[in-house]
Amino acid sequence: EIVMTQSPATLSVSPGERATLSCRASQSVSGNLAWYQQKPGQAPRLLIYGASTRATGIPARFSGYGSGTEFTLTISSLQSEDFAVYYCQQYSDRPPWAFGQGTKVEVK
Amino acid sequence: QVQLQQSGPGLVKPSQTLSLTCAISGDSVSSNTAIWNWIRQSPSRGLEWLGRTYYRSKWYTDCAVFVKSRITVNPDTSKNQFSLQLNSVIPEDTAVYYCARGGWGTTAGLFDSWGQGTLVTVSS
Repeated sequence: EIVMTQSPATLSVSPGERATLSCRASQSVSGNLAWYQQKPGQAPRLLIYGASTRATGIPARFSGYGSGTEFTLTISSLQSEDFAVYYCQQYSDRPPWAFGQGTKVEVK
Repeated sequence: QVQLQQSGPGLVKPSQTLSLTCAISGDSVSSNTAIWNWIRQSPSRGLEWLGRTYYRSKWYTDCAVFVKSRITVNPDTSKNQFSLQLNSVIPEDTAVYYCARGGWGTTAGLFDSWGQGTLVTVSS
């Protein structure tokens, strides 16, 4: 099974600043990597798929990069609504689909 | 736009069966381009994919190995919904359970729509 590892666990950032989150896969997932945003009491929301394609309605300040085993999610200028937990997930090949343990982006 | 509405009890006794339903609007459980999944989330285990059902000329179901002996995922075409049953529950099955839609082909494991979540507590 593929294991997804995210870092850091918590990222403290001031509004308007840039945030960069990392995700590593235990083996290559090619470009089959998604990012989700989750706010308290809500289901995860798809942000990025195919490592770098924004889902419908996602603002351009969210960008994804990477392939193989190393991936990043960048939020170029944090807005108040962006403080949340972010998860990466591989959807390569077949189940089980694995999620990372999450990175919490909090207000500095 | 697809919407998923979950229903089911929030409290289950140990050794009993957890049962949840996910009603679909804006898509069909029999769609040839969608896959219907159950995922759970707990503080100790994070997000875990549990199982799925989908129709490709016939019905398919598969599940995660760690729950394979206890889980059933079934479609209900008459009500356009699908269900989760988890037998012989233990306190460690306490989690928020989500239903979610996956795509087809290379996006089978990409979840673009989610239910609202159901907190299920296993306790006597």
